[in-house]
Amino acid sequence: GESVGLHLPTLSVQEGDNSIINCAYSNSASDYFIWYKQESGKGPQFIIDIRSNMDKRQGQRVTVLLNKTVKHLSLQIAATQPGDSAVYFCAETPRDTGRRALTFGSGTRLQVQP
Amino acid sequence: NAGVTQTPKFQVLKTGQSMTLQCAQDMNHEYMSWYRQDPGMGLRLIHYSVGAGITDQGEVPNGYNVSRSTTEDFPLRLLSAAPSQTSVYFCASRIRASSYNSPLHFGNGTRLTVT
Repeated sequence: GESVGLHLPTLSVQEGDNSIINCAYSNSASDYFIWYKQESGKGPQFIIDIRSNMDKRQGQRVTVLLNKTVKHLSLQIAATQPGDSAVYFCAETPRDTGRRALTFGSGTRLQVQP
Repeated sequence: NAGVTQTPKFQVLKTGQSMTLQCAQDMNHEYMSWYRQDPGMGLRLIHYSVGAGITDQGEVPNGYNVSRSTTEDFPLRLLSAAPSQTSVYFCASRIRASSYNSPLHFGNGTRLTVT
């Protein structure tokens, strides 16, 4: 079935570098996408979202890029800090499920080396 | 506001026992949902509710019951626990079901082990 997936299960970066976490989605009916951060022992925390009528959206140190042509989503974190170490999930809301549920990817673990 | 509060944080059950996972939110959100998270997998939707008195099944509903008697509370019941239900359970809410372009707010989870 269609699903949201991630290319890399673990990403290790040096403190101060930029991080890029990728996500591929296959449901062309999805029109809203979210990135969540999950720290150990906690629930997912909203980072940034983007609608399908946008290609890019920026937040504080984070940028989400959406390429609908190849069904690809990415999260860029500038000047990665140790506190950014966590598991990152992308999620989509497909129109064809009535948008009542999010479909989550399996997650990418970001490890920030000091 | 406390946000989404889940209790208990940890629970161990024996096969066949029943229990209720509690979830409460103080944000006056209409939409509430339950997800389970298993190692190496993303979160999977169990049940959801678009308002008091209305519930519906998600992707993996078998073995779980829910009810929504108030806007604030959305308990998840395991009638006869099985080892396959060992998981971390998250409750999440957003302001309205129709507000699909607003993010879900998650609780900190209940870690359930069934032996």
